[in-house]
This record gives sequence, C-alpha cells and structure tokens, in this order.
Amino acid sequence: DTEVTQTPKHLVMGMTNKKSLKCEQHMGHRAMYWYKQKAKKPPELMFVYSYEKLSINESVPSRFSPECPNSSLLNLHLHALQPEDSALYLCASSRLAMNTEAFFGQGTRLTVV
Amino acid sequence: DAKTTQPNSMESNEEEPVHLPCNHSTISGTDYIHWYRQLPSQGPEYVIHGLTSNVNNRMASLAIAEDRKSSTLILHRATLRDAAVYYCILRDISNFGNEKLTFGTGTRLTIIP
Repeated sequence: DTEVTQTPKHLVMGMTNKKSLKCEQHMGHRAMYWYKQKAKKPPELMFVYSYEKLSINESVPSRFSPECPNSSLLNLHLHALQPEDSALYLCASSRLAMNTEAFFGQGTRLTVV
Repeated sequence: DAKTTQPNSMESNEEEPVHLPCNHSTISGTDYIHWYRQLPSQGPEYVIHGLTSNVNNRMASLAIAEDRKSSTLILHRATLRDAAVYYCILRDISNFGNEKLTFGTGTRLTIIP
C-alpha cells in the first residue's frame, strides 16, 4: 500500500466555521507534511512532523493547527479562515532519510466563503 | 536551503526525448537531487533522485554534471501523459530530523501530439 489518503476531497467552509482535514498513510513513514498550493503556484511547505512531533512550522498563522495523533494519521484543524486561505491542501509522507521519496495525497480543495 | 533554477516552460513533440534542465550552483556535498512532477489536478509524484552518479529508473533518467552544479531529467520517449509541471528539488541529508522538501517554481512541460 503506497497511498496517502486525504479526506475530504472538497470542502467549503464559512469564515466562522471550524473544520478539519485528515491524512492517513500505512507505509510506516515517520515524517509527515502539510503543504498549501494556490493555483498555478508550487506547493508551499506548512508543517513537518517527525516521529509524531512537530519539527517544522513555516511561520503558518495560528488559524491552522496541525495534529499528529499517531504514526499513521495527520490532521489539520482550521478555524476562522479567510477567503485567501482557499487553496489545495496536500499531505505527504516519507521515511526519515533524505535519500528517499515522498508520497503525496491527492489533496483537499478548500474554499473559504 | 540551496536553490534550484528551472525554465518556466518547455514544449516537446510526442514520442521524442525530452531533456529538462536544472541549475543548482550552490549545491552542497550532502544535497541529494530529487525530481517530482505534478500532473493536472493531482498531487506531486516522485520521479527520480541521485547524488553524484547518473541514475535510471522505469520513468526517467537523471544526468548529473560532474561538478554537481546542474542536472538534467531525461524522458526517453514523451507521451501525452507526461504533460506536467516538473520540479527539481535539493534535499540535505545532513538535516536528519529536520525534514524539508521545498518546491521551486518548476518547468511546465507541454507535449505536442
């Protein structure tokens, strides 16, 4: 199983809503990542978890709150988002070694209204 | 992080070889060269990676300059399904526990039937 599964595929939320994005992998990878991608732009790294601990936060606003409850799951909790946060949110996982590949999910298309 | 420079776009005819260049003049001795591609409406997918020697796999070949300041991704016989944005990325293996996979602007490859 070399899949990274993201749910939901699409999400529309109001600026006062609270929602969560979910990411799951069963490859035994101990590094997991969240990216944000705007149209026609490259993915931008948001967070990295290593061994279920947050190791990198790329100065992401606090309205995005990541969580890694176990080695297979990664969540991104969303609260009080702005319309400019509308984007494709991608999850990825990899083994903890730089000479290995990362596997990406298909993403969650988020629209903030 | 060491930076990469790629042409914004390239075109190639179907069933012909494609050479996608990447410059990384500030590469360090511990940087691996990774290539990913992103097909329309999908998450990025791994293509190939290498350190010093040329590499081949079922998808592509990677040619690395002797001084490692540049590399070329070679698709031996392009098909319409190879139309994607191709990203050249450097990953520092000395950064264990501080995993990063940072995307540059990439090259948008168009395949002409």
